[in-house]
Amino acid sequence: NAGVTQTPKFQVLKTGQSMTLQCAQDMNHNSMYWYRQDPGMGLRLIYYSASEGTTDKGEVPNGYNVSRLNKREFSLRLESAAPSQTSVYFCASSARLYFAYNEQFFGPGTRLTVL
Amino acid sequence: TQLLEQSPQFLSIQEGENLTVYCNSSSVFSSLQWYRQEPGEGPVLLVTVVTGGEVKKLKRLTFQFGDARKDSSLHITAAQPGDTGLYLCAGSGTGSSNTGKLIFGQGTTLQVKP
Repeated sequence: NAGVTQTPKFQVLKTGQSMTLQCAQDMNHNSMYWYRQDPGMGLRLIYYSASEGTTDKGEVPNGYNVSRLNKREFSLRLESAAPSQTSVYFCASSARLYFAYNEQFFGPGTRLTVL
Repeated sequence: TQLLEQSPQFLSIQEGENLTVYCNSSSVFSSLQWYRQEPGEGPVLLVTVVTGGEVKKLKRLTFQFGDARKDSSLHITAAQPGDTGLYLCAGSGTGSSNTGKLIFGQGTTLQVKP
Protein backbone atom coordinates (compact mmCIF):
# COMPACT_ATOMS: atom_id res chain seq x y z
CA ASN A 1 0.00 0.00 0.00
CA ALA A 2 1.99 2.99 -1.31
CA GLY A 3 -0.52 5.74 -0.40
CA VAL A 4 0.13 8.82 -2.54
CA THR A 5 3.03 8.73 -4.99
CA GLN A 6 4.48 11.61 -7.00
CA THR A 7 6.92 11.79 -9.88
CA PRO A 8 9.43 13.21 -10.38
CA LYS A 9 10.99 14.00 -6.99
CA PHE A 10 13.23 16.75 -8.36
CA GLN A 11 13.12 18.81 -11.55
CA VAL A 12 15.02 21.76 -12.95
CA LEU A 13 13.45 23.71 -15.81
CA LYS A 14 14.41 26.72 -17.85
CA THR A 15 11.97 29.61 -18.13
CA GLY A 16 9.38 28.84 -20.79
CA GLN A 17 9.72 25.06 -20.67
CA SER A 18 6.73 22.89 -19.91
CA MET A 19 6.34 19.82 -17.73
CA THR A 20 3.75 17.61 -16.09
CA LEU A 21 3.84 16.47 -12.48
CA GLN A 22 2.25 13.08 -11.93
CA CYS A 23 0.32 11.92 -8.87
CA ALA A 24 -1.39 8.64 -8.07
CA GLN A 25 -3.18 7.28 -4.99
CA ASP A 26 -4.14 3.71 -4.16
CA MET A 27 -6.53 4.41 -1.26
CA ASN A 28 -9.68 4.56 -3.42
CA HIS A 29 -10.11 8.22 -2.46
CA ASN A 30 -12.56 10.40 -4.35
CA SER A 31 -10.89 13.78 -3.91
CA MET A 32 -7.41 14.89 -4.91
CA TYR A 33 -5.49 18.14 -4.54
CA TRP A 34 -2.39 19.97 -5.72
CA TYR A 35 -0.62 22.37 -3.35
CA ARG A 36 2.52 24.42 -3.53
CA GLN A 37 4.64 25.14 -0.48
CA ASP A 38 6.86 28.21 -0.22
CA PRO A 39 8.86 29.29 2.85
CA GLY A 40 6.71 31.00 5.47
CA MET A 41 3.50 30.56 3.46
CA GLY A 42 2.25 27.14 4.49
CA LEU A 43 0.42 25.17 1.81
CA ARG A 44 -1.55 26.96 -0.88
CA LEU A 45 -4.12 25.11 -2.95
CA ILE A 46 -3.55 25.27 -6.72
CA TYR A 47 -6.32 23.02 -8.06
CA TYR A 48 -8.47 20.26 -6.70
CA SER A 49 -10.72 17.50 -7.96
CA ALA A 50 -13.71 16.70 -5.77
CA SER A 51 -14.41 13.52 -7.71
CA GLU A 52 -13.43 11.79 -10.94
CA GLY A 53 -14.39 13.97 -13.87
CA THR A 54 -14.38 17.30 -12.02
CA THR A 55 -11.67 19.88 -11.38
CA ASP A 56 -11.79 23.33 -9.79
CA LYS A 57 -9.43 26.22 -9.16
CA GLY A 58 -7.94 26.77 -5.77
CA GLU A 59 -6.22 29.79 -4.31
CA VAL A 60 -3.31 30.12 -6.80
CA PRO A 61 -4.29 28.51 -10.16
CA ASN A 62 -2.63 30.94 -12.60
CA GLY A 63 0.01 29.29 -14.79
CA TYR A 64 -1.19 25.75 -14.08
CA ASN A 65 -3.58 23.22 -15.57
CA VAL A 66 -4.72 19.88 -14.22
CA SER A 67 -6.18 16.63 -15.48
CA ARG A 68 -8.02 14.03 -13.44
CA LEU A 69 -7.10 11.09 -15.61
CA ASN A 70 -9.11 8.54 -13.61
CA LYS A 71 -9.99 7.96 -9.98
CA ARG A 72 -6.37 7.17 -9.09
CA GLU A 73 -4.43 9.81 -11.03
CA PHE A 74 -4.31 13.60 -10.97
CA SER A 75 -1.67 15.48 -12.95
CA LEU A 76 -0.48 19.09 -12.79
CA ARG A 77 0.91 20.80 -15.88
CA LEU A 78 3.04 23.90 -16.19
CA GLU A 79 2.68 25.10 -19.77
CA SER A 80 5.36 27.81 -19.70
CA ALA A 81 7.38 27.69 -16.51
CA ALA A 82 8.37 30.92 -14.75
CA PRO A 83 10.88 31.50 -11.91
CA SER A 84 7.92 32.38 -9.63
CA GLN A 85 6.83 28.74 -9.94
CA THR A 86 9.96 27.53 -8.17
CA SER A 87 8.47 25.69 -5.21
CA VAL A 88 7.77 22.33 -3.64
CA TYR A 89 4.60 20.76 -5.02
CA PHE A 90 2.50 18.33 -3.03
CA CYS A 91 -0.32 16.12 -4.17
CA ALA A 92 -2.87 14.97 -1.60
CA SER A 93 -6.01 12.87 -1.51
CA SER A 94 -8.98 12.46 0.80
CA ALA A 95 -11.98 10.17 1.02
CA ARG A 96 -14.33 12.88 -0.24
CA LEU A 97 -14.24 16.65 -0.33
CA TYR A 98 -17.35 17.38 1.69
CA PHE A 99 -16.73 14.82 4.39
CA ALA A 100 -16.79 16.51 7.77
CA TYR A 101 -13.12 16.17 8.59
CA ASN A 102 -11.62 15.93 5.09
CA GLU A 103 -8.45 14.34 6.41
CA GLN A 104 -5.85 14.54 3.70
CA PHE A 105 -2.97 12.22 2.85
CA PHE A 106 0.06 13.74 1.16
CA GLY A 107 2.67 12.52 -1.28
CA PRO A 108 6.41 13.09 -0.76
CA GLY A 109 6.53 16.19 -2.97
CA THR A 110 8.25 17.39 -6.14
CA ARG A 111 10.98 19.98 -5.75
CA LEU A 112 10.89 22.21 -8.82
CA THR A 113 13.42 24.89 -9.71
CA VAL A 114 12.82 27.21 -12.66
CA LEU A 115 15.90 29.06 -13.86
CA THR B 1 -11.57 35.05 3.63
CA GLN B 2 -10.74 32.64 6.40
CA LEU B 3 -7.17 32.76 7.68
CA LEU B 4 -5.21 30.76 10.22
CA GLU B 5 -2.29 32.42 11.96
CA GLN B 6 0.31 30.26 13.67
CA SER B 7 2.73 31.39 16.34
CA PRO B 8 5.55 31.27 16.84
CA GLN B 9 6.90 30.80 13.32
CA PHE B 10 10.20 29.40 14.60
CA LEU B 11 11.08 27.68 17.85
CA SER B 12 14.47 26.31 18.88
CA ILE B 13 14.62 24.56 22.24
CA GLN B 14 16.69 22.06 24.19
CA GLU B 15 15.68 18.46 24.63
CA GLY B 16 13.42 18.03 27.65
CA GLU B 17 11.78 21.46 27.46
CA ASN B 18 8.05 22.01 27.04
CA LEU B 19 6.52 24.15 24.31
CA THR B 20 3.19 25.36 22.97
CA VAL B 21 2.28 26.26 19.40
CA TYR B 22 -0.80 28.36 18.70
CA CYS B 23 -3.18 28.47 15.75
CA ASN B 24 -5.60 31.41 15.75
CA SER B 25 -8.35 32.79 13.55
CA SER B 26 -11.20 35.28 13.69
CA SER B 27 -13.38 32.71 11.90
CA VAL B 28 -15.15 29.64 13.22
CA PHE B 29 -14.01 26.26 11.93
CA SER B 30 -16.01 23.03 11.89
CA SER B 31 -12.85 21.05 12.58
CA LEU B 32 -9.15 21.64 12.88
CA GLN B 33 -6.27 19.36 12.04
CA TRP B 34 -2.60 19.30 12.96
CA TYR B 35 0.03 17.93 10.61
CA ARG B 36 3.75 17.36 11.07
CA GLN B 37 6.14 17.58 8.17
CA GLU B 38 9.71 16.32 8.30
CA PRO B 39 12.36 17.70 5.94
CA GLY B 40 12.01 16.34 2.42
CA GLU B 41 8.66 14.69 3.08
CA GLY B 42 4.98 15.49 2.85
CA PRO B 43 2.81 16.49 5.83
CA VAL B 44 1.43 13.68 7.96
CA LEU B 45 -1.82 14.04 9.90
CA LEU B 46 -1.39 13.95 13.70
CA VAL B 47 -4.91 14.65 14.95
CA THR B 48 -8.31 16.13 14.12
CA VAL B 49 -10.33 18.07 16.72
CA VAL B 50 -13.99 18.77 16.04
CA THR B 51 -15.74 19.83 19.28
CA GLY B 52 -15.25 23.18 21.00
CA GLY B 53 -13.16 22.65 24.14
CA GLU B 54 -11.98 19.23 22.98
CA VAL B 55 -8.63 17.99 24.24
CA LYS B 56 -6.79 15.10 22.60
CA LYS B 57 -3.55 13.51 23.72
CA LEU B 58 -1.07 11.66 21.57
CA LYS B 59 1.74 10.45 23.85
CA ARG B 60 3.62 13.67 24.78
CA LEU B 61 1.52 15.85 22.48
CA THR B 62 -1.67 17.54 23.72
CA PHE B 63 -4.05 19.23 21.27
CA GLN B 64 -6.84 21.58 22.28
CA PHE B 65 -9.66 23.14 20.27
CA GLY B 66 -10.91 26.45 21.61
CA ASP B 67 -14.41 26.68 23.07
CA ALA B 68 -15.49 28.99 20.26
CA ARG B 69 -13.78 26.80 17.61
CA LYS B 70 -11.67 29.74 16.42
CA ASP B 71 -8.32 28.61 17.79
CA SER B 72 -6.25 25.59 18.70
CA SER B 73 -3.02 24.79 20.48
CA LEU B 74 -0.43 22.05 20.41
CA HIS B 75 1.55 21.43 23.59
CA ILE B 76 4.60 19.15 23.63
CA THR B 77 5.92 17.90 26.95
CA ALA B 78 9.59 17.00 27.33
CA ALA B 79 10.45 17.60 23.68
CA GLN B 80 12.81 15.18 21.96
CA PRO B 81 14.99 15.62 18.86
CA GLY B 82 12.55 13.36 17.00
CA ASP B 83 9.88 16.07 17.42
CA THR B 84 11.86 18.35 15.10
CA GLY B 85 9.86 19.39 12.05
CA LEU B 86 7.29 21.76 10.63
CA TYR B 87 3.92 21.77 12.37
CA LEU B 88 0.91 22.89 10.35
CA CYS B 89 -2.63 23.55 11.48
CA ALA B 90 -5.45 23.31 8.95
CA GLY B 91 -9.14 24.07 9.28
CA SER B 92 -12.41 23.25 7.57
CA GLY B 93 -14.87 26.14 7.31
CA THR B 94 -18.48 26.29 8.47
CA GLY B 95 -21.71 27.37 6.83
CA SER B 96 -21.15 29.20 3.55
CA SER B 97 -17.40 28.91 4.14
CA ASN B 98 -17.61 25.12 4.21
CA THR B 99 -16.27 24.36 0.77
CA GLY B 100 -14.72 21.16 2.03
CA LYS B 101 -11.25 22.49 1.28
CA LEU B 102 -8.68 22.90 4.04
CA ILE B 103 -7.18 26.25 4.99
CA PHE B 104 -3.59 25.93 6.20
CA GLY B 105 -1.65 28.09 8.62
CA GLN B 106 1.84 29.17 7.59
CA GLY B 107 3.48 26.63 9.88
CA THR B 108 5.75 26.53 12.93
CA THR B 109 9.28 25.22 12.48
CA LEU B 110 10.44 23.39 15.61
CA GLN B 111 14.05 22.47 16.27
CA VAL B 112 14.83 20.35 19.34
CA LYS B 113 18.51 20.24 20.13
CA PRO B 114 20.02 17.26 22.00
